[in-house]
Amino acid sequence: DGGITQSPKYLFRKEGQNVTLSCEQNLNHDAMYWYRQDPGQGLRLIYYSQIVNDFQKGDIAEGYSVSREKKESFPLTVTSAQKNPTAFYLCASSGRDQPQHFGDGTRLSIL
Amino acid sequence: GQQVMQIPQYQHVQEGEDFTTYCNSSTTLSNIQWYKQRPGGHPVFLIQLVKSGEVKKQKRLTFQFGEAKKNSSLHITATQTTDVGTYFCAGRTGTASKLTFGTGTRLQVTL
Repeated sequence: DGGITQSPKYLFRKEGQNVTLSCEQNLNHDAMYWYRQDPGQGLRLIYYSQIVNDFQKGDIAEGYSVSREKKESFPLTVTSAQKNPTAFYLCASSGRDQPQHFGDGTRLSIL
Repeated sequence: GQQVMQIPQYQHVQEGEDFTTYCNSSTTLSNIQWYKQRPGGHPVFLIQLVKSGEVKKQKRLTFQFGEAKKNSSLHITATQTTDVGTYFCAGRTGTASKLTFGTGTRLQVTL
């Protein structure tokens, strides 16, 4: 969806390194979400934020961290504590009681 | 926690055949949404169902929400190669903004 921009499209992480995935939206949505998708699998919720300066853990938050300092931005950091980070990461946003709009995703691999 | 299962996991049909995927939640849902993800792409919203027993149609696609609001189905009539992709249901409980995505059904259509 044109309203959500994820970068980079591809990212490589070295052992012991933290990496940050960017997600920006210009849809004026209050809620933003981060999902992880493994090959052939569904979407699992990592973190979500319903309002600026507030966020909640999803189902698989261990090894990840987020911040929500601005309404438009919800970056995700994959820390060295996440031992199996290779996956497709999707960011989404939504208005109240509205469907979610997704970015094009970031594919993260381990070097 | 809430679980949303879909069956089948995978279906391969000949073009022109019908296709149905079923979605079952472990808890009662306030609404259910359906998304389609093309290979290599991101999920795209198809429809939202809110009322018990609701049926909605989009051209060849028919969506149903069960009477107990714990299950849903998507039926495609006369599939086309453009229908290829993975179909996910996603349920919301109460007033929470987050969705729980189903495990997905991957549809392959051949000529």
